Amino acid sequence: GQQVMQIPQYQHVQEGEDFTTYCNSSTTLSNIQWYKQRPGGHPVFLIQLVKSGEVKKQKRLTFQFGEAKKNSSLHITATQTTDVGTYFCAGESTGANSKLTFGKGITLSVRP
Amino acid sequence: GAGVSQSPSNKVTEKGKDVELRCDPISGHTALYWYRQRLGQGLEFLIYFQGNSAPDKSGLPSDRFSAERTGESVSTLTIQRTQQEDSAVYLCASSPIGSLNTEAFFGQGTRLTVV
Repeated sequence: GQQVMQIPQYQHVQEGEDFTTYCNSSTTLSNIQWYKQRPGGHPVFLIQLVKSGEVKKQKRLTFQFGEAKKNSSLHITATQTTDVGTYFCAGESTGANSKLTFGKGITLSVRP
Repeated sequence: GAGVSQSPSNKVTEKGKDVELRCDPISGHTALYWYRQRLGQGLEFLIYFQGNSAPDKSGLPSDRFSAERTGESVSTLTIQRTQQEDSAVYLCASSPIGSLNTEAFFGQGTRLTVV
């Protein structure tokens, strides 16, 4: 079945440093989504990418969908302590029984 | 309702007892997902519903776990003969199918503690 992989599971950065994480799917996706889960909370939708090579920005966050629609990246410029949390990507498969498959997530900690 | 509702929010049960967790998805959302999240860990997929049928049950960890959905609405996840290893937060999410935006909305989760 479809697999969505996020490695590593944890990353620690110094406040002000940039941070990039990647998401890889075993199959071609119709779209990819990113979610953020704050400590003690539940995952909340951030963004959806649909087109091959698409790039979207939200303030200091930049999201990119790969040309082959099998991978994606999230880049955070100049991390802040408010960026702490777990970031999940979720790939939606193509076809009639399409479903979202979530990666395991990457937990980001930021040292002030 | 305005969002995905899960009940109870917290459940403490004795080892060996059965528990039922409930999820009320957003009205009109065809897709419904159950996930388990252990402390400090990522999302562990359990089961996916499309309407009332479950095309993917591959994540259910054992035959003690079962889930059903009725009326393309409410879903219940049942854990029989609970074990301490079942302690976790159980998250439910729903999303539309067949639209351009298939964002998943998560409930607040049910925190299950087996003592």
